[in-house]
Formats: sequence, C-alpha cells, structure tokens
Amino acid sequence: ETGVTQTPRHLVMGMTNKKSLKCEQHLGHNAMYWYKQSAKKPLELMFVYSLEERVENNSVPSRFSPECPNSSHLFLHLHTLQPEDSALYLCASSQGVRGSYNEQFFGPGTRLTVL
Amino acid sequence: GQNIDQPTEMTATEGAIVQINCTYQTSGFNGLFWYQQHAGEAPTFLSYNVLDGLEEKGRFSSFLSRSKGYSYLLLKELQMKDSASYLCAVLDSNYQLIWGAGTKLIIKP
Repeated sequence: ETGVTQTPRHLVMGMTNKKSLKCEQHLGHNAMYWYKQSAKKPLELMFVYSLEERVENNSVPSRFSPECPNSSHLFLHLHTLQPEDSALYLCASSQGVRGSYNEQFFGPGTRLTVL
Repeated sequence: GQNIDQPTEMTATEGAIVQINCTYQTSGFNGLFWYQQHAGEAPTFLSYNVLDGLEEKGRFSSFLSRSKGYSYLLLKELQMKDSASYLCAVLDSNYQLIWGAGTKLIIKP
C-alpha cells in the first residue's frame, strides 16, 4: 500500500448505529487530519493530530470521536449520527503543520450516508 | 471571521489559458496552497506560495500578493483532463488550512 488509504469507501448507517472509519498513511508523516466535504461547501477541518497529539477540535459534535493510536493510523468513531452528517469524509496527512510541510496528501475518502 | 473567495465555476476552451482567482481574509498568513480535485476523487497538491510573486511549474503557475490578499492559478495549454475543481487554501496563524469552496473548471473542445 502506498500513500493514504481509507476504509470503508462507502458506508450506509442508521441514526442509532455505531461505526468507525479507518485511515492509514504510509508516508512517514507526523500529522494527520479528518475533513468533512459536503457539496458546494469548503472542506471543513474536523480534527488535527500532530505527533499523535490532538492539536485542535473545531467544535465538532461529540457524536464524532477521533482516535490516533500512532503516527500512521487515525480513526473516526461515529455514533448516533444525524442525516445532515451525510458527506464525504477525507483523511489527510502531512510532514508537519508549518509552512510547506503542511502539504497534505489525501486518502480517497469514505462516502457516508446516514438514514 | 476568516474567508476565502473564489468563483464557483469557470468555462474555458481546450488549448487556451485560464486564470482562477482567490482572495482571502484570514487571521495571519503562513502560505497559500492550490489543490486540484477531480470529480469523485481526493484533492491533490498543485502549488504553495508564501512570498509575493509568480511560481511556475510546467503548464501551471501560481501568483501571490500578500498585501492585496490575492492569489491566482494560471493554467496554460488547457487539456480536457484539466476539467476539475481547483481549491484555494490559506494556512493561518494557528497553522490550520482555511479552504475556499473551490472553482469548478469546465473545458470545452
């Protein structure tokens, strides 16, 4: 595997389900990110981990819970989601957070549908 | 608040030149990125500017004016495969990327 991988690629879940999204980076990077992408809206940064420490939680609802067990893996745990949470969830990684080190490499995304 | 503005959609002809503008108002500035995103795919990095001026990379060039809060992406010799969305993003004082909504570029034969 190369680059940034995400599983699953597609997920349909009910509002009472619990599921997890997984991201893995094979680039030796030190920072990882979760983004939400909705149609015709800017990418919304959800969580940033730098050297496995969460740097920022941008007021994301508690029904989204991140986990970063090491510098290569990132999870997003989902529970009691709402239909408006349906979107493309993108994971990205970068060498660092400062300047050009923040060049981010994205995974293919998980298309999430909440019924 | 922080704001990135770019046109929603642009149309250009194969072989021509197109300029995609981006204006920004952010809390601090640590560089500006351009990304390309084809429909159904993840964004991919195109360029990074932190100093004023033009950076050329093959058919693509990116310009920055920090005093004006302005950047543009210039695409030359357009090809059909350049049909995509182009995302402008600014790295703010907290080293977080603030993203524009993207410009959808349509290339016609």
